[in-house]
Amino acid sequence: AQSVTQLGSHVSVSEGALVLLRCNYSSSVPPYLFWYVQYPNQGLQLLLKYTSAATLVKGINGFEAEFKKSETSFHLTKPSAHMSDAAEYFCAVHGSSNTGKLIFGQGTTLQVKP
Amino acid sequence: GAGVSQSPRYKVAKRGQDVALRCDPISGHVSLFWYQQALGQGPEFLTYFQNEAQLDKSGLPSDRFFAERPEGSVSTLKIQRTQQEDSAVYLCASSVQGWDTQYFGPGTRLTVL
Repeated sequence: AQSVTQLGSHVSVSEGALVLLRCNYSSSVPPYLFWYVQYPNQGLQLLLKYTSAATLVKGINGFEAEFKKSETSFHLTKPSAHMSDAAEYFCAVHGSSNTGKLIFGQGTTLQVKP
Repeated sequence: GAGVSQSPRYKVAKRGQDVALRCDPISGHVSLFWYQQALGQGPEFLTYFQNEAQLDKSGLPSDRFFAERPEGSVSTLKIQRTQQEDSAVYLCASSVQGWDTQYFGPGTRLTVL
């Protein structure tokens, strides 16, 4: 069965510093992987997705993620954090080959300090 | 509309009451998903529709939960005899087809007292 694990429920960085949010997956088939962001009292917004094309995926707001099959990882990075990046981030994998339902990690809260 | 909408945004129910949560997906989207997000947790899959057909309801936690999409557009998630453990944010998402990008609504926050 497919699953994702996000390492670190809270990450705190200074404004301008590198953002690194970790995600490891387990999948019996080549996975489709996603990163979503959730701002308070809002739904989830797609940041980027990996669908077996290029292993380095670029998303919105300067975020990118690299698919590493050997490490079963899909970590999210951003070179320079901005105050507006403070939010909850979720890694997800497709949980079914039939329906496309998503299996989410527990989430990582990103705090950006001035 | 431009995105997925959900109503109400907030719902307070007394234990034992029935509630109905509405989802309006993006026009033309065939696939519709419901997820439950408990406080401090990631969303968990509840059920999936392709048009009006409910193809996967494996995530519904009990027979008190029921979902429908009778005309293949608007969907309603109904919870009968609500319990405190039902308190959560209920998220709806739609996509063009099952494996395409899912677009999420703002959610309905249900509080059961």
